[in-house]
Amino acid sequence: ETGVTQTPRHLVMGMTNKKSLKCEQHLGHNAMYWYKQSAKKPLELMFVYNFKEQTENNSVPSRFSPECPNSSHLFLHLHTLQPEDSALYLCASSQATQETQYFGPGTRLLVL
Amino acid sequence: AQTVTQSQPEMSVQEAETVTLSCTYDTSESDYYLFWYKQPPSRQMILVIRQEAYKQQNATENRFSVNFQKAAKSFSLKISDSQLGDAAMYFCAYRANYGGSQGNLIFGKGTKLSVKP
Repeated sequence: ETGVTQTPRHLVMGMTNKKSLKCEQHLGHNAMYWYKQSAKKPLELMFVYNFKEQTENNSVPSRFSPECPNSSHLFLHLHTLQPEDSALYLCASSQATQETQYFGPGTRLLVL
Repeated sequence: AQTVTQSQPEMSVQEAETVTLSCTYDTSESDYYLFWYKQPPSRQMILVIRQEAYKQQNATENRFSVNFQKAAKSFSLKISDSQLGDAAMYFCAYRANYGGSQGNLIFGKGTKLSVKP
């Protein structure tokens, strides 16, 4: 696999479920990002990790919990989500935070 | 706060013709990057072109070029010889080049481009 991959590509979950989104980058980058893309709204940055350390939390509700075990993997743990959390969740990576970001294909999440 | 505005929700172009997508931004910084990303129906966000603010020369990538007007804070994308595969959402994005939030991309709402055969 090359570039940035995300699994699953589609996810349907109830409000009481717990699930995790996974992102993996095969580019040797040191920074990774989570974005939320909702209909009719600009992409919203959620979290930034640089060398496994979280450097940005853009006022994201605690029902979203990121985890970055190493520079190649990034997770987004989900619990007790709301229907308005339904969106496309995009992962990106870059060599450093000031370098160009490359995106994964996204996970389409539907919360019922 | 920095903002990015794309005033054209939808645009349409005939195959082989040229189309220009508009983008304006607001910032008090002088050192930053601007980007155009393309998101086709497959949803993979792809970098089309980027421009460094301190470079006066407009960036060009094959059929894609930009018109960067720093004083006017304008960053339009021109697609020449449009192809069916160019149909997608196009997002303009800004990123400051220094400071604690230097990695933070700020996106516009996007322009949906349709290409007619």
